[in-house]
Amino acid sequence: DIQMTQSPSSLSASVGDRVTITCRASQSISSYLSWYQQKPGKAPKVLIYAAASLQSGVPSRFSGSGSGTDFTLTISSLEPEDFATYYCQQSYSTLPYTFGQGTKLEV
Amino acid sequence: QVQLVESGGGVVQPGRSLRLSCAASGFTFSNYGIHWVRQAPGEGLEWVAVISYDGSHKYYLDSVKGRFTISRDNSRNTLYLQMDSLRTEDTALYYCAKDAGFFTISGWFDPWGQGTLVTVSS
Repeated sequence: DIQMTQSPSSLSASVGDRVTITCRASQSISSYLSWYQQKPGKAPKVLIYAAASLQSGVPSRFSGSGSGTDFTLTISSLEPEDFATYYCQQSYSTLPYTFGQGTKLEV
Repeated sequence: QVQLVESGGGVVQPGRSLRLSCAASGFTFSNYGIHWVRQAPGEGLEWVAVISYDGSHKYYLDSVKGRFTISRDNSRNTLYLQMDSLRTEDTALYYCAKDAGFFTISGWFDPWGQGTLVTVSS
């Protein structure tokens, strides 16, 4: 299985900060990488797919980059509603699809 | 709008069975693959299974292979997960999630349902 490792596991930040979360795959996954946001008690919501494509309706302060094994999710200027847990997920051809362990973004 | 609503969760003893359902609306159900993804209490996300748009292809997480069966009824716009020989480690919130690909499996999920809780305990 392809292992996905996120860093950091938790992150303290303030409104207006620029934040970067990193995701590393145990083997190359090309650009088959998505990012999800999950708020407490809610289902995950996709933010980024294909490593850098912004899902429709997602604010432009979210951006993704990377290919191969190293990826980043950047929030350019934190808003209060961005405090949540973020997961990366690979969808390379080899099943199973796997997620990172999550990054909890806190005030 | 696209909506997925899971049901069928509950408390069940180890070794017993449970069937989850996922009712879809707001899109042409028969054009999309659908996944089950689970989340143990306080833990991260784990993909469980996927079924292609027409039900001809099914794939499973190794730990559920032979115990869980994914199926769909396109006439009822409903997805199912038959869970047999349940184990305590299957305890989780089970989400269904629409695959983003049209007549293909893209492997990313949008949107997700709200989840149904399965608790396996004696």
